[in-house]
Amino acid sequence: EAGVAQSPRYKIIEKRQSVAFWCNPISGHATLYWYQQILGQGPKLLIQFQNNGVVDDSQLPKDRFSAERLKGVDSTLKIQPAKLEDSAVYLCASSSRLLGPTQYFGPGTRLTVL
Amino acid sequence: QQPVQSPQAVILREGEDAVINCSSSKALYSVHWYRQKHGEAPVFLMILLKGGEQKGHDKISASFNEKKQQSSLYLTASQLSYSGTYFCGTGRLAGNMLTFGGGTRLMVKP
Repeated sequence: EAGVAQSPRYKIIEKRQSVAFWCNPISGHATLYWYQQILGQGPKLLIQFQNNGVVDDSQLPKDRFSAERLKGVDSTLKIQPAKLEDSAVYLCASSSRLLGPTQYFGPGTRLTVL
Repeated sequence: QQPVQSPQAVILREGEDAVINCSSSKALYSVHWYRQKHGEAPVFLMILLKGGEQKGHDKISASFNEKKQQSSLYLTASQLSYSGTYFCGTGRLAGNMLTFGGGTRLMVKP
C-alpha cells in the first residue's frame, strides 16, 4: 500500500515570496491533516479536512496561509507571503475512520525562508 | 495546551531500559506515540484510548493513567534502532485532533 506522498521535498524561497505544497493521502483515507514542525519541536496541527470540508483550522494563520482539498483527495497548502518564521517542515498526514484513529505521516516538505 | 514530555533527552547503552512520560493538564480521550528519526516522517508506534489500558508489542509498551492524565512509554532491552525522537500526541475529542509534545530525544549507543 502506497503511503502519503508529498512534494516538493525541499524548497528555498526569499521572504515575501509565495510557495505551495502538495499532498496525496493514502488511498481511501477521508481525513487529511497539515502540520507545521519547527526544528526541535513537535508537529503543530494547522488544518484538518474531512473529505473536502474543513474540520478545524483554528491554528492556521489565515492572513498568509491557505489550504484546499477540492475533490476530497489531494490537498494543497499555500503560504503568501512567506516570513522568516515560516521556515519549518510541513507534514501531511491522513487517517481513515473505518480503520481507526491512527494518523499516517508523509515525508514532509522542508521549507527554508531566507 | 501542549502536553509535557519528560525527560527531554536520554542516552542509553544497548540492552538498557527507558521510560518516557507524557503529561497533560486537560482531560484526554487518547494518546498517540510516534518515533521520528532525523529527516524522516514520524512513524506510528501505538495508540491508547480512554480507559486506562496498557498496550505493547515486542519490547515497546505503553500505559495510560486516566486519573493522572498521563501516559508512559516503556522501552525494554533497547536496540540501536530505537534511537530517535519520541513524540506523544494527545487527543481531547473523538474528532482525532492531536496536540503533540515537545519530544524526547533517545540515543542508544553500542
